[in-house]
Amino acid sequence: EAQVTQNPRYLITVTGKKLTVTCSQNMNHEYMSWYRQDPGLGLRQIYYSMNVEVTDKGDVPEGYKVSRKEKRNFPLILESPSPNQTSLYFCASSPNSPNQPQHFGDGTRLSIL
Amino acid sequence: AQSVAQPEDQVNVAEGNPLTVKCTYSVSGNPYLFWYVQYPNRGLQFLLKYITGDNLVKGSYGFEAEFNKSQTSFHLKKPSALVSDSALYFCAVRALDRGSTLGRLYFGRGTQLTVWP
Repeated sequence: EAQVTQNPRYLITVTGKKLTVTCSQNMNHEYMSWYRQDPGLGLRQIYYSMNVEVTDKGDVPEGYKVSRKEKRNFPLILESPSPNQTSLYFCASSPNSPNQPQHFGDGTRLSIL
Repeated sequence: AQSVAQPEDQVNVAEGNPLTVKCTYSVSGNPYLFWYVQYPNRGLQFLLKYITGDNLVKGSYGFEAEFNKSQTSFHLKKPSALVSDSALYFCAVRALDRGSTLGRLYFGRGTQLTVWP
């Protein structure tokens, strides 16, 4: 089954403790991206990647890092999480550009205390 | 600046009645427009898209959307709403930022659709 898998689905942690949210897709897609969803703000793009080793900033990259060492994986790293990063995070992928329908994971709800 | 507006936070409609969820956009160049739906505790699912061609686009679950270039709108419609259509709906536009050849997706804030029996 074609899917985008995020882990963990839920996480409560404390300020400053490094964390990684993994994202994996099994569709051989080149384009992957991370979004955060906040009430009243919709989805905002954090980072995106057009292929292995090619990443770029979205609208709200501050406080986040990404890497794309393999085509299927696109982890989101919070080196020093802060409470304002409490949010619902989504990973998405598409064959090779944002022009195509995005396949979304089921989301990761992060709470930073 | 590139932007997408969904002017209604909530739309309520009775089952069997037609529904409309509004979306307007502001982008430079030709827009690629999308609608997505989000059910509770799930990621977004693609409904339909407009890139070029016929202004009326048909998508999944009986939804359709009409592209109106002069009004810069892309409203989502369905002739007869179902209770199961209750969900959060997002409009999105792919826009080309200056110097970019790929473009990025910009999402609206979402509209909560409630269909009551």
